[in-house]
Amino acid sequence: LAKTTQPISMDSYEGQEVNITCSHNNIATNDYITWYQQFPSQGPRFIIQGYKTKVTNEVASLFIPADRKSSTLSLPRVSLSDTAVYYCLVGDRGNTPLVFGKGTRLSVIA
Amino acid sequence: DSGVTQTPKHLITATGQRVTLRCSPRSGDLSVYWYQQSLDQGLQFLIQYYNGEERAKGNILERFSAQQFPDLHSELNLSSLELGDSALYFCASSNWGGSTDTQYFGPGTRLTVL
Repeated sequence: LAKTTQPISMDSYEGQEVNITCSHNNIATNDYITWYQQFPSQGPRFIIQGYKTKVTNEVASLFIPADRKSSTLSLPRVSLSDTAVYYCLVGDRGNTPLVFGKGTRLSVIA
Repeated sequence: DSGVTQTPKHLITATGQRVTLRCSPRSGDLSVYWYQQSLDQGLQFLIQYYNGEERAKGNILERFSAQQFPDLHSELNLSSLELGDSALYFCASSNWGGSTDTQYFGPGTRLTVL
């Protein structure tokens, strides 16, 4: 399993764009990158998944450079309700469960 | 609402006791996962089932066991409870159980061991 490294915490003001970068240097050819969001005392929620280049949905964008050794989750114009822990996970389409780790704790300040 | 239900929501018990946590997956999902989250800790994967069969095992203690029934609901049994077992226990379900399959998490069961 590819190991991921992401910042423990980040702070941002409301209305700003937030970029959370995840490092996964030993990502394998078949691995996908998935991000989840977890609010306090709730279960994580899927945000976005990608393999290469850029993926965008109504919540976020995921940027993956050509070497795929890192990825960046971009949250446009964050609000207080985006305060949560964000997890970066890497895995292939096999059956090995994903490792959530400790994630990045994002605090949005008014 | 993820469609995954967990009961009970809260559980308070004493050391040495045994409890059972229950999870009903989303309609159509065949795979169920169990996770433990202690205070300020990340999500620890415990075990995964797919269509009634154990598929993967993580850091699950021997005092813990789980099963998935023919109707696809799952139960996590925790025995000889210790203070350190106090945590939030999440169940998640996914359609086909692959590692890139989206997992839908339940609201969790908060276990307090006194």
